[in-house]
Amino acid sequence: EDKVVQSPLSLVVHEGDTVTLNCSYEVTNFRSLLWYKQEKKAPTFLFMLTSSGIEKKSGRLSSILDKKELFSILNITATQTGDSAIYLCALRRASGTYKYIFGTGTRLKVLA
Amino acid sequence: GAGVSQSPRYKVAKRGQDVALRCDPISGHVSLFWYQQALGQGPEFLTYFQNEAQLDKSGLPSDRFFAERPEGSVSTLKIQRTQQEDSAVYLCASSLLRTGEDTQYFGPGTRLTVL
Repeated sequence: EDKVVQSPLSLVVHEGDTVTLNCSYEVTNFRSLLWYKQEKKAPTFLFMLTSSGIEKKSGRLSSILDKKELFSILNITATQTGDSAIYLCALRRASGTYKYIFGTGTRLKVLA
Repeated sequence: GAGVSQSPRYKVAKRGQDVALRCDPISGHVSLFWYQQALGQGPEFLTYFQNEAQLDKSGLPSDRFFAERPEGSVSTLKIQRTQQEDSAVYLCASSLLRTGEDTQYFGPGTRLTVL
């Protein structure tokens, strides 16, 4: 059965800290892995990863995928209080379904 | 332009009632997804439309759940004979491409509470 496991479940840091969020997965026939930020209601897209070892970067956020070890990490450097949110990882298989499988998320709280 | 909108934002139903949740995707977006998000959980896929065609409904939990997108734009998720376990936030997302693999834009969700 396909699954996505995120860790840690929650994290509290202080402004300026660097955090690393983990997403490990098991899937038949991997296609893509996505990261989302969910602050109140609607998740907002951060990254889509399809190839191993290629870092995607946007400002203080970056992400990389390891298809051999079946995980992805999301890094946030110099955290700010506005980074406080739930970070979701989602997986899609290559064929047979349009279904995205989401993890339960990591709840990040950044203290001033 | 406007993002994805959903209505109502909140719905309270008595057990056994039918409900209809509406999603207005971004104009021109081909792909439309419905998700169910229980408290403290990630979104769970319900169904996927490509224009008016429902290509994947593998996530619908029972035959009480029905979704349609008759003209390839607005979509409605209907839940018949609601039960307490249906209480959740229902999220709709749309994306431009027919593959559904590009950026998904989520609506604010409808919080359904079944008493």
